[in-house]
Amino acid sequence: AQKITQTQPGMFVQEKEAVTLDCTYDTSDPSYGLFWYKQPSSGEMIFLIYQGSYDQQNATEGRYSLNFQKARKSANLVISASQLGDSAMYFCAMRATRTTDKLIFGTGTRLQVFP
Amino acid sequence: SQTIHQWPATLVQPVGSPLSLECTVEGTSNPNLYWYRQAAGRGLQLLFYSVGIGQISSEVPQNLSASRPQDRQFILSSKKLLLSDSGFYLCAWSRASGRTGELFFGEGSRLTVL
Repeated sequence: AQKITQTQPGMFVQEKEAVTLDCTYDTSDPSYGLFWYKQPSSGEMIFLIYQGSYDQQNATEGRYSLNFQKARKSANLVISASQLGDSAMYFCAMRATRTTDKLIFGTGTRLQVFP
Repeated sequence: SQTIHQWPATLVQPVGSPLSLECTVEGTSNPNLYWYRQAAGRGLQLLFYSVGIGQISSEVPQNLSASRPQDRQFILSSKKLLLSDSGFYLCAWSRASGRTGELFFGEGSRLTVL
């Protein structure tokens, strides 16, 4: 069975510092995709970054980068130069089958950025 | 550009009452559609997904149902709400032929069952 684990219920980071949000996954499917979403207090889910299991390089999108370690089955999100507006819930998700776009989500990490 | 809209945004309903949440997508055709539920302080649980009109797959047995009467319309319903149905409901769509399978979410509907 596929599973996503986020072990950090909450994280604090000072403005302008970098922070890493942990995510581990479990799947027996050789082809899968990993996603990170941001959920501000308004509730909307905002797509941040995607990593395919066969992608050779770690994905980057602006201040977001995904530290993909396939052997360890981890897909940590790194946010550089944190901003106050980064305070939100962050969810890691996985799509682990070729025939559907169903995403399995972790329980999330609440990030709080302080001045 | 594509947009997704769901309503109502907030709903307070008594136990045993019916439910209807509606979601529509604009600017794309034949999307895959999804209903997720997020309980307070928890992750998202997939409830239903649909790859076409009238095609609904249920992920979790429950007293909720979903229907897709039109290509870009997805409805979540219940005949009799339970207290445990309270939560934040999110509709989402993805491109049927998309490489990554990225989901695009609606604004969410917050349901409180009293």
